[in-house]
Amino acid sequence: QKEVEQNSGPLSVPEGAIASLNCTYSDRVSQSFFWYRQYSGKSPELIMSIYSNGDKEDGRFTAQLNKASQYVSLLIRDSQPSDSATYLCAVRQSASGGSYIPTFGRGTSLIVHP
Amino acid sequence: DAMVIQNPRYQVTQFGKPVTLSCSQTLNHNVMYWYQQKSSQAPKLLFHYYDKDFNNEADTPDNFQSRRPNTSFCFLDIRSPGLGDAAMYLCATRAASGPNEQYFGPGTRLTVT
Repeated sequence: QKEVEQNSGPLSVPEGAIASLNCTYSDRVSQSFFWYRQYSGKSPELIMSIYSNGDKEDGRFTAQLNKASQYVSLLIRDSQPSDSATYLCAVRQSASGGSYIPTFGRGTSLIVHP
Repeated sequence: DAMVIQNPRYQVTQFGKPVTLSCSQTLNHNVMYWYQQKSSQAPKLLFHYYDKDFNNEADTPDNFQSRRPNTSFCFLDIRSPGLGDAAMYLCATRAASGPNEQYFGPGTRLTVT
């Protein structure tokens, strides 16, 4: 059973702080990793994708991947109240026939308070 | 703008009354997915298509069916909705080659009365 684990939170940070969201996965052969932001009652929105070990930065967001330790994290710098949402981690499972089945974590709820 | 569209955004149906949810995309993506998401839970994959090749997840109830008449459209049919089927239904797409990112539609919120 391939699993993606996230702390459900809520993670509460003050405005302007760095929010750190973590995700661990069980399938060692996983190749692709994604972070989605989901506001309450809305659909997931892709924020970052990462495929290689190390850091990937996009604006205030940094994704970090460590395949040896099987974890991927998302850092949000200068957190804003508008960042308050649930953050879903998704990991690509191996699949055949050209199709692609990701496994989603349950998400971490982030609250940024003024 | 290229996008994934779902209709309706909100659907109310009666217990046992069939309902169809639709998804369309202008991204020309080969792969389409249907997910069910309940509150505070991860999206649960129901079906996916690679072009017209249909894949049914092992634990998807028989009450759920899907059709993909062409690249752009995909439908989710719930034959006899129960109270436990109330959820957000998400459609997503992905290109078969290139980046692996999935793109989600806005979702359909299904209420069963």
